[in-house]
Amino acid sequence: DAGVTQSPTHLIKTRGQHVTLRCSPISGHKSVSWYQQVLGQGPQFIFQYYEKEERGRGNFPDRFSARQFPNYSSELNVNALLLGDSALYLCASSLTIGESSYNEQFFGPGTRLTVL
Amino acid sequence: LAKTTQPISMDSYEGQEVNITCSHNNIATNDYITWYQQFPSQGPRFIIQGYKTKVTNEVASLFIPADRKSSTLSLPRVSLSDTAVYYCLLRGSQGNLIFGKGTKLSVKP
Repeated sequence: DAGVTQSPTHLIKTRGQHVTLRCSPISGHKSVSWYQQVLGQGPQFIFQYYEKEERGRGNFPDRFSARQFPNYSSELNVNALLLGDSALYLCASSLTIGESSYNEQFFGPGTRLTVL
Repeated sequence: LAKTTQPISMDSYEGQEVNITCSHNNIATNDYITWYQQFPSQGPRFIIQGYKTKVTNEVASLFIPADRKSSTLSLPRVSLSDTAVYYCLLRGSQGNLIFGKGTKLSVKP
């Protein structure tokens, strides 16, 4: 079975540009979450989507947006890129959401974004 | 938001047992304690999760005292391939994961 997939694997952009990152969850999983991981730090929560609706948002500016499609795949969009947006962007999927011990999140390999 | 505190780094040798302790003094009643492993340039990988007492699976054990203000991940007989960053984290009210800086474990031959 395929795990969580993300595309592209690497991306180089310049300041001011926008970027779209894509994620396909594990088959049957209905929730997708996005995390940003800056070098040397732990992943930071950006968004969580479940059944195509935003169910959680971390402390990120409005330049960051996301959506989930009917097939449960997801896109993360970042506008007006800043140098500080350079990071590994991780997508995680889970069966559902909430505090249940069964809602283990499975992470993809990430997209490495470099902003010059 | 509840936070976790764990050592920044630990060193060990192959074949030894490694115990990584995490402090979470403000853990909420409904928080689960979860541990993830991450290799460079890869996404985190789930290791183990627990609510109280002891949980064991094929790769690790998790010890949680009655007050739940700390937890200890135990890795038996580590190998070089266990060199990684280990994150202790609590599941947020939205179900999202709240990561700290993690513990960088270095296993030496």
